[in-house]
Amino acid sequence: NAGVTQTPKFQVLKTGQSMTLQCAQDMNHEYMSWYRQDPGMGLRLIHYSVGAGITDQGEVPNGYNVSRSTTEDFPLRLLSAAPSQTSVYFCASSYGTAPVNTEAFFGQGTRLTVV
Amino acid sequence: EDQVTQSPEALRLQEGESSSLNCSYTVSGLRGLFWYRQDPGKGPEFLFTLYSAGEEKEKERLKATLTKKESFLHITAPKPEDSATYLCAVSGSARQLTFGSGTQLTVLP
Repeated sequence: NAGVTQTPKFQVLKTGQSMTLQCAQDMNHEYMSWYRQDPGMGLRLIHYSVGAGITDQGEVPNGYNVSRSTTEDFPLRLLSAAPSQTSVYFCASSYGTAPVNTEAFFGQGTRLTVV
Repeated sequence: EDQVTQSPEALRLQEGESSSLNCSYTVSGLRGLFWYRQDPGKGPEFLFTLYSAGEEKEKERLKATLTKKESFLHITAPKPEDSATYLCAVSGSARQLTFGSGTQLTVLP
């Protein structure tokens, strides 16, 4: 089982560029989410989805878009990269429609630097 | 708003020296408290879920406990391979996990 796969692992962007972080899971999980992790601040929720076609905002959604056309994939789009978006991004999935009772499986992360 | 505070931020132990990590939380209607382990350059890895005060769970040298305001992760006779950052998270009435900033544990041989 591959679990949760994120690509790319590393990325450097110039301010103003756009890009898409890819996330795919092969566990048929309904719930998928994107977090960013910054030093001293823990993981913060950006966007989440409770199933194909359904997405919602988390704690820090500004500057990011998501869509969920299939159960397996949940890409995160940076519309116009800013240095404040330099961070490590994690995608996670879990069984059910909310992470209230079950463990979340995390990808290996994408380390993004915006210059 | 759900909040999670972990202490200490960093902890250095000698191999075999037992200790505890603390996770204090405020949440509207606790549905679950989660502990994760994160190694450098990797994503968090699930350890435990606790649902109600008084509950305890164990896995090898780790034991997690829960009260109405905090959770402890007890590490008994740690080994160098237990070195990692330990994350605590809560899930409340919203469909979200709220994470603490973690405790970085170093176990020296």
